[in-house]
Amino acid sequence: DAGVIQSPRHEVTEMGQEVTLRCKPISGHNSLFWYRQTMMRGLELLIYFNNNVPIDDSGMPEDRFSAKMPNASFSTLKIQPSEPRDSAVYFCASGDSSNQPQHFGDGTRLSIL
Amino acid sequence: SQKIEQNSEALNIQEGKTATLTCNYTNYSPAYLQWYRQDPGRGPVFLLLIRENEKEKRKERLKVTFDTTLKQSLFHITASQPADSATYLCALTGAGSYQLTFGKGTKLSVIP
Repeated sequence: DAGVIQSPRHEVTEMGQEVTLRCKPISGHNSLFWYRQTMMRGLELLIYFNNNVPIDDSGMPEDRFSAKMPNASFSTLKIQPSEPRDSAVYFCASGDSSNQPQHFGDGTRLSIL
Repeated sequence: SQKIEQNSEALNIQEGKTATLTCNYTNYSPAYLQWYRQDPGRGPVFLLLIRENEKEKRKERLKVTFDTTLKQSLFHITASQPADSATYLCALTGAGSYQLTFGKGTKLSVIP
């Protein structure tokens, strides 16, 4: 079975550029989560979608961050403009209900120079 | 504010011994507690879920306990193997909530 698929796996870009991270959740899952992981803060929830609808985006750090889920099989997280402090590993996870185990992708390691 | 602490950042243990990892929480009334394993460069992988009304859960060499009075969960790996070396994360969620709050993890190294 295909798991959660994220792309790209690595992204290096200069400050001020737009960054788009992509996620394909597991088919049939109706919950989708975007997380950010850093050494200092660990795993932090950025935004939660249920049935393609954003339910909670209170974890999105700034207006520079936005996320969409145009259909059940695709989601994007966009940072515009990017800053060096956005450097982290970004994970997408999906689940078949909101409080059941989550299935994570292998993340996008983002470096903003 | 809610706080989850995994007591050790790193734990070294001899192969064959039982590894015990600790997860403590404050200002939280979780309905579920989950443990995940994370290998370098990979996403967390779900291992076990235990509910607030369960004291203990087992899966093969893994055992989790959940003490809501002490506000603590213990995660045990018996007969540990070098392949068990990874970072282990605990995560809490409240009743009816979607939000998983993660600890920062404990890096376990099993030495041959």
